[in-house]
Amino acid sequence: EIVLTQSPGTLSLSPGEGGTLSCRASQGVSSTYLAWYQQKPGQAPRLLIYDTSTRATGIPDRFSGSGSGADFTLTISRLEPEDFAVYYCQQYHTPLTFGGGTKVEIK
Amino acid sequence: EVQLVESGGGLVQPGGSLRLSCAASGFTFSTYAMSWVRQAPGKGLEWVSGITNGGGDAYYADSVKGRFTISRDNSKNTLYLQMNSLRVEDTAIYYCAKETAAIGIPLFDSWGQGTVVTVSS
Repeated sequence: EIVLTQSPGTLSLSPGEGGTLSCRASQGVSSTYLAWYQQKPGQAPRLLIYDTSTRATGIPDRFSGSGSGADFTLTISRLEPEDFAVYYCQQYHTPLTFGGGTKVEIK
Repeated sequence: EVQLVESGGGLVQPGGSLRLSCAASGFTFSTYAMSWVRQAPGKGLEWVSGITNGGGDAYYADSVKGRFTISRDNSKNTLYLQMNSLRVEDTAIYYCAKETAAIGIPLFDSWGQGTVVTVSS
């Protein structure tokens, strides 16, 4: 089973700033099989990015994904108030696993 | 618009059983694999079980194997999760999630709002 470790646990940023979230895998992951989700309090997760860098339908271009091998990154440029949430990475090569999450909070 | 509506959660004693349902609409249900994903209070996401579009193959996390059974009724556009021998550590919000393909790619592009399962004496 591939273990995904996300860092930092919490990222404190101000609206308008940019931020970088990390997802490190315990072994190499095909870049075809890495996704990111956003979850706001009291809501279900929402798919943001799949195949490492492809934005899901309706996701604004201030969200971007990159990486390969065992290191992947979600970058949020120009944070909007609605972007403060918890972000999870997921690898979807069987058996699928999720990272522990990074909380992006208002500074 | 895709809609997934879970039901069947509640309070149950350890060792008890519950059956969760997920009513799907807004897409051709029989075309897509489906999964259940749970989230314990204040914790992250944990995949529980998945089933192929036709229901012929089912997959389980080790933590629930032998206790939970996933199934689907494509004529009713409904996904189920039968949970037996429930444990305190099964307490969580259970989400129904639509996968992006019929089989083999557990990537979730739509989620329900979840149903709460509490296992406690």
